[in-house]
Amino acid sequence: DAGVTQSPTHLIKTRGQQVTLRCSPISGHKSVSWYQQVLGQGPQFIFQYYEKEERGRGNFPDRFSARQFPNYSSELNVNALLLGDSALYLCASSLRQGAGTGELFFGEGSRLTVL
Amino acid sequence: GESVGLHLPTLSVQEGDNSIINCAYSNSASDYFIWYKQESGKGPQFIIDIRSNMDKRQGQRVTVLLNKTVKHLSLQIAATQPGDSAVYFCAENPPTGRRALTFGSGTRLQVQP
Repeated sequence: DAGVTQSPTHLIKTRGQQVTLRCSPISGHKSVSWYQQVLGQGPQFIFQYYEKEERGRGNFPDRFSARQFPNYSSELNVNALLLGDSALYLCASSLRQGAGTGELFFGEGSRLTVL
Repeated sequence: GESVGLHLPTLSVQEGDNSIINCAYSNSASDYFIWYKQESGKGPQFIIDIRSNMDKRQGQRVTVLLNKTVKHLSLQIAATQPGDSAVYFCAENPPTGRRALTFGSGTRLQVQP
């Protein structure tokens, strides 16, 4: 069975550019969350989507946006990239909405480098 | 793959020994806690979870202990194996209205053969 898949796995952008990261959840999972993991730190929550609606947002600027599609896949968009946006972006899916209601399954992440 | 945590606290153990990884969490109202394992170049992998109405939970070779009085979690790994080498994160689910996990800073476990 396919796990959470993310694309691209690695990408390099320059300051001021925009990036779109994609995530396909495990089949049957309706909740997708996005996390940012800076090197040497634990993941930080960015967004959660459930049934195509935003259900939670972390302390990230408006340059970060996301959406979930009818097939439950999701995109994370970051505009006006800064050097500090360089990180591993992780997507996680779960069967239900709440983080406390079962496992969060993480993908391998998209490694973004901003030059 | 690129290393997850270059300057994390490190626990070094001999193969076959038991490992104990500790974590202090921040929100006394958190009601759900998870331990994750992250290998280099990979996403976090679920190990074990525990709810706040419990103080101990056992899995296969792993045990999680929760001490709510001092806001402390520990992960015990029995008979540690080289494949256990990774960065370990604890995560809490605070009741902020946002359905999101708050992760700790992580501990690197190195298993010496």
